[in-house]
Amino acid sequence: NAGVTQTPKFQVLKTGQSMTLQCAQDMNHEYMSWYRQDPGMGLRLIHYSVGAGITDQGEVPNGYNVSRSTTEDFPLRLLSAAPSQTSVYFCASRTPGPTPSGYTFGSGTRLTVV
Amino acid sequence: GESVGLHLPTLSVQEGDNSIINCAYSNSASDYFIWYKQESGKGPQFIIDIRSNMDKRQGQRVTVLLNKTVKHLSLQIAATQPGDSAVYFCAENPGGSARQLTFGSGTQLTVLP
Repeated sequence: NAGVTQTPKFQVLKTGQSMTLQCAQDMNHEYMSWYRQDPGMGLRLIHYSVGAGITDQGEVPNGYNVSRSTTEDFPLRLLSAAPSQTSVYFCASRTPGPTPSGYTFGSGTRLTVV
Repeated sequence: GESVGLHLPTLSVQEGDNSIINCAYSNSASDYFIWYKQESGKGPQFIIDIRSNMDKRQGQRVTVLLNKTVKHLSLQIAATQPGDSAVYFCAENPGGSARQLTFGSGTQLTVLP
């Protein structure tokens, strides 16, 4: 199993550009989430999904869209990039259940918006 | 809103000593607490978790203590090794069916030779 795969690993965007951060998992996990990590801060939840066709907003959803058409993929779209979206983005997945401890994280996408 | 925070942003320990990393939380409704380790350039890795109905849980070289009275969580690492150098995050699950996590800001642990 590859686990959680994020692409690209690095990206530089100009303000106003759009792009999609890809996240794929091969563990048949129903739950998937996107977090952003800024310097000196913990991870903050952007959007999450509890299954194909179901998504919901997290703590910092503005400026981002998600969709979940398959169990495996959970892309994160930046509609019009802003410098405030410069961050490291992590995707995570787990199986459903009473404990949230089973999250597997990807290695991250480092995004710079200039 | 509710948040999870850490007392110290950095911690340096001598190799072989024990490390204690602290975390304060404010959401009394949280029922799970988790410690993650994040090495440079990598995603967080699960270390150990504890349910709110427990006070202590032990793993291999790690122990998590939960004090609900003062809303405090700690991670103890025994015989700290160079490979333990990383950023450590505590996270809480404030409840809800989706079981999402709220993370603290992290502590950078540096192990000195």
